[in-house]
Amino acid sequence: DAKTTQPNSMESNEEEPVHLPCNHSTISGTDYIHWYRQLPSQGPEYVIHGLTSNVNNRMASLAIAEDRKSSTLILHRATLRDAAVYYCILRDDKIIFGKGTRLHILP
Amino acid sequence: EAQVTQNPRYLITVTGKKLTVTCSQNMNHEYMSWYRQDPGLGLRQIYYSMNVEVTDKGDVPEGYKVSRKEKRNFPLILESPSPNQTSLYFCASSFSDRGGYTFGSGTRLTVV
Repeated sequence: DAKTTQPNSMESNEEEPVHLPCNHSTISGTDYIHWYRQLPSQGPEYVIHGLTSNVNNRMASLAIAEDRKSSTLILHRATLRDAAVYYCILRDDKIIFGKGTRLHILP
Repeated sequence: EAQVTQNPRYLITVTGKKLTVTCSQNMNHEYMSWYRQDPGLGLRQIYYSMNVEVTDKGDVPEGYKVSRKEKRNFPLILESPSPNQTSLYFCASSFSDRGGYTFGSGTRLTVV
């Protein structure tokens, strides 16, 4: 079973920020929080990962709660190309993908 | 270009005819993994490998075999394919057990 909980779907307007939530209340101290996305007809694509501190890269930001039981992926300015299924995962040897959040971007 | 290469991209085969899907990465990654993706079931891990000659079962290993004789290659072997193995398969690799995975483009397998 997936160890994370995400909303099934979300909508956002183009050029606006998007906050994708993820709950992982059973996270262990050594689990890294990973985010991937899968665009239609493509393989999953790594987005970002972190352990305790907030992380930024060219694609997104990851905000991790102080107790690490939840995190939020932030797309600062969504474009139509960001429409995808976003997966929040706790990384150990066996990565378990849940159902993810299907993000719809409205023009 | 850093990448994970799977071959073939598409394959149609008959029940019982042994097949191998190849996976190769050029990033000197230690970790490699195979997933299958089915509608309504999402991505499920078949096997993974932590290094050469070290492999372990994922969530759905039945009917599959893997080998890791070289660091760069991690083939997926179906000794006797059955129709329930019709699926979209992804190979992935990562530098460490905590790093991000790079996925291949996928292999769509149909077993008739």
